[in-house]
Amino acid sequence: DAKTTQPPSMDCAEGRAANLPCNHSTISGNEYVYWYRQIHSQGPQYIIHGLKNNETNEMASLIITEDRKSSTLILPHATLRDTAVYYCIVRALRDDKIIFGKGTRLHILP
Amino acid sequence: DAGVIQSPRHEVTEMGQEVTLRCKPISGHDYLFWYRQTMMRGLELLIYFNNNVPIDDSGMPEDRFSAKMPNASFSTLKIQPSEPRDSAVYFCASRPSPGTSGRNEQFFGPGTRLTVL
Repeated sequence: DAKTTQPPSMDCAEGRAANLPCNHSTISGNEYVYWYRQIHSQGPQYIIHGLKNNETNEMASLIITEDRKSSTLILPHATLRDTAVYYCIVRALRDDKIIFGKGTRLHILP
Repeated sequence: DAGVIQSPRHEVTEMGQEVTLRCKPISGHDYLFWYRQTMMRGLELLIYFNNNVPIDDSGMPEDRFSAKMPNASFSTLKIQPSEPRDSAVYFCASRPSPGTSGRNEQFFGPGTRLTVL
């Protein structure tokens, strides 16, 4: 079973920041938080990951709470192309598998 | 880099027929994963290989499913005989050996949409 809880769907206006929450209250000290997204009719795509510090790359920012029990993926300026299902995943570095939950379906509204 | 290549992209077959899905991982990647995605069950890991050796096939639904990786650049997922409930999108993914950054990113192919009538 997935170790994360995400809202099933969210809406965001185009050009605004999309903030996608994820709860992972049972996360272990050696587990990372990963985010993937799946655009319609495509395979999942890696976005970002973090352990305990906030992270930023060209796609998004990841904010992890100090107790690491939850995190937020931020798409700073959402576009229509960001419409997708976003998966929050926790796994240890040594884990080969990715266990996908149901994710959050993000709708970007024009 | 061409990314992970899967073929065919679409397959329509009749119940009872054998189906073979193919995957070419990214060159240099040591790991290869097969997933199945349906509306009801979401994205499920079926089996994965490391250096062409099957490591975990606990997700394979039943004996009708088999997967092979004869070399580092090719893998197949076979269903024999196929049934309507096997209709799904099948994804192949590959990944290099993990480094120390924690990234452990899997690269997914475009998937094969299988319809069993």
